[in-house]
Amino acid sequence: ETGVTQSPTHLIKTRGQQVTLRCSSQSGHNTVSWYQQALGQGPQFIFQYYREEENGRGNFPPRFSGLQFPNYSSELNVNALELDDSALYLCASRLAGDYNEQFFGPGTRLTVL
Amino acid sequence: EDQVTQSPEALRLQEGESSSLNCSYTVSGLRGLFWYRQDPGKGPEFLFTLYSAGEEKEKERLKATLTKKESFLHITAPKPEDSATYLCAVQVAGNNRKLIWGLGTSLAVNP
Repeated sequence: ETGVTQSPTHLIKTRGQQVTLRCSSQSGHNTVSWYQQALGQGPQFIFQYYREEENGRGNFPPRFSGLQFPNYSSELNVNALELDDSALYLCASRLAGDYNEQFFGPGTRLTVL
Repeated sequence: EDQVTQSPEALRLQEGESSSLNCSYTVSGLRGLFWYRQDPGKGPEFLFTLYSAGEEKEKERLKATLTKKESFLHITAPKPEDSATYLCAVQVAGNNRKLIWGLGTSLAVNP
């Protein structure tokens, strides 16, 4: 076990809806990254939060947004869901600058119908 | 453009049959190369980090090596429990905020 948890494990939404995914980082880890992983693909970097501020973003539109809280939990929000948003969403926590100790959660499987 | 390519896409081995997985990269500057293992429905699990050409790391039946343009993950005498998808990721120098991932190699080891 990595100490990183995500909820829910599975979620089904319809196109146009909004969704919030949650992640609880390992204690003491001040950096959290969110990834989208489509079936058969590698993870795609969505964004990263450090001390509650977004400090890096991949090629994802603004309808993907996030929050990080002082208690090391974080959220990924997706508005106006599209069919292509169906994927496994992973969060990973670490100390800033230390990818050796990056721990992934089990992911949330999102299905958009 | 920074790119990471893994081959083969899929590999099927018999138990005990050694082989190697490849991760080739084209980046402006390498800060680190990471190998992860991912089981179905789970998040990636960290295996190794390599920082410079010539470096090698070992863990049980796995050995990772690095050159200036590629990395190999050697699997010696694999067992069925080694079946998983193996992912390679690169951290680019000057951009410490994200990793660039390959698509992975799906490994199946038959008993």
